Amino acid sequence: QQQVKQSPQSLIVQKGGISIINCAYENTAFDYFPWYQQFPGKGPALLIAIRPDVSEKKEGRFTISFNKSAKQFSLHIMDSQPGDSATYFCADQGGKLIFGQGTELSVKP
Amino acid sequence: EADIYQTPRYLVIGTGKKITLECSQTMGHDKMYWYQQDPGMELHLIHYSYGVNSTEKGDLSSESTVSRIRTEHFPLTLESARPSHTSQYLCASSELGGGSYNEQFFGPGTRLTVL
Repeated sequence: QQQVKQSPQSLIVQKGGISIINCAYENTAFDYFPWYQQFPGKGPALLIAIRPDVSEKKEGRFTISFNKSAKQFSLHIMDSQPGDSATYFCADQGGKLIFGQGTELSVKP
Repeated sequence: EADIYQTPRYLVIGTGKKITLECSQTMGHDKMYWYQQDPGMELHLIHYSYGVNSTEKGDLSSESTVSRIRTEHFPLTLESARPSHTSQYLCASSELGGGSYNEQFFGPGTRLTVL
């Protein structure tokens, strides 16, 4: 079964700093790579997704960088805010959505 | 407003009881899913459906069963609950294929505790 390996497991960042979460995927060629954000007591919600033929996608303060040769992709949160404190899941969307292990982000004021 | 609903939000029940977790969506989505998530852990797909009368088992083996009699409704049933079933159960839905990314919309989850 395909896996997505996510790191770090937890991350503490000061307000205004940059949060970086990394993911590595296995042998897929045509998948999308989304990031989901989950607040306590809520279901996950799509944050941003990238196609495999694009190296970077930016939406506001959130950027996905995709390195196809290394089979890695990462989420960068610029100017991190306390409201960004949540658990972030990367995923591999092929036939099914395979989630990474999650990163608990805490942004300190 | 289009949305996805799960009831109950919290359920504490004794061993051996039969339970049904409800999931409904108003978006007209063909695909629906059930995930199991332990606290602080990743989501594991346990069931999915491509449409009415279609149900498939996911990657994580589960003793639960599902049915899809109506497009908007995808209930999950445990015939005899056990403490090992204690977890959070998340329902989701999405459109069928199309070549672009099909976002999965998640409900708020049901937190199940079996004593």
